[in-house]
Amino acid sequence: DGGITQSPKYLFRKEGQNVTLSCEQNLNHDAMYWYRQDPGQGLRLIYYSQIVNDFQKGDIAEGYSVSREKKESFPLTVTSAQKNPTAFYLCASSIDIPLSGLQREQYFGPGTRLTVT
Amino acid sequence: KQEVTQIPAALSVPEGENLVLNCSFTDSAIYNLQWFRQDPGKGLTSLLLIQSSQREQTSGRLNASLDKSSGRSTLYIAASQPGDSATYLCAVDQGAQKLVFGQGTRLTINP
Repeated sequence: DGGITQSPKYLFRKEGQNVTLSCEQNLNHDAMYWYRQDPGQGLRLIYYSQIVNDFQKGDIAEGYSVSREKKESFPLTVTSAQKNPTAFYLCASSIDIPLSGLQREQYFGPGTRLTVT
Repeated sequence: KQEVTQIPAALSVPEGENLVLNCSFTDSAIYNLQWFRQDPGKGLTSLLLIQSSQREQTSGRLNASLDKSSGRSTLYIAASQPGDSATYLCAVDQGAQKLVFGQGTRLTINP
């Protein structure tokens, strides 16, 4: 089965602790993304990576960190510096066809719901 | 800055009706527009992607249109079914690997 997996589905942490969310894809996609979704809102981009060992900040990167050591994996760390970390986190991937105007359809994982108390 | 708006925020219709969901965006310089479906507590499922050079795309009972000049897209659902109940999100691709999302329309189809 090809797709994107995120683990765990639910995650609970105490305030002040760092936590790492897993995202793995076997679609052979170059680009990977992390989004955050709050209740009743659309998705906001946290970080994205177009190639291994390279990543860029999205619109709300403060308090988060990522790594891209392998093409298949793009873990997200929510640090204690993130002021409001409780949210639904979604990982996505796409084929990278820069500036071509061709389809760059994004495929999403099932999400991880993080609760920090 | 690109802004994407979806109206209405929620919609409830009886089974069998045809319906239209709306999406508007402020900057017409887009590569494509994508419609997604999200079930409660789940990830997003891509429904249709319309490239900037296209006017519409169809998949089964779904038809999405794009009018770049007016900054609008619509998702038409024919012969609605209870299984169509979900939140529908539109997103525009402005390049640089960035999708900008609307807040979604929560659709309920009543049997």
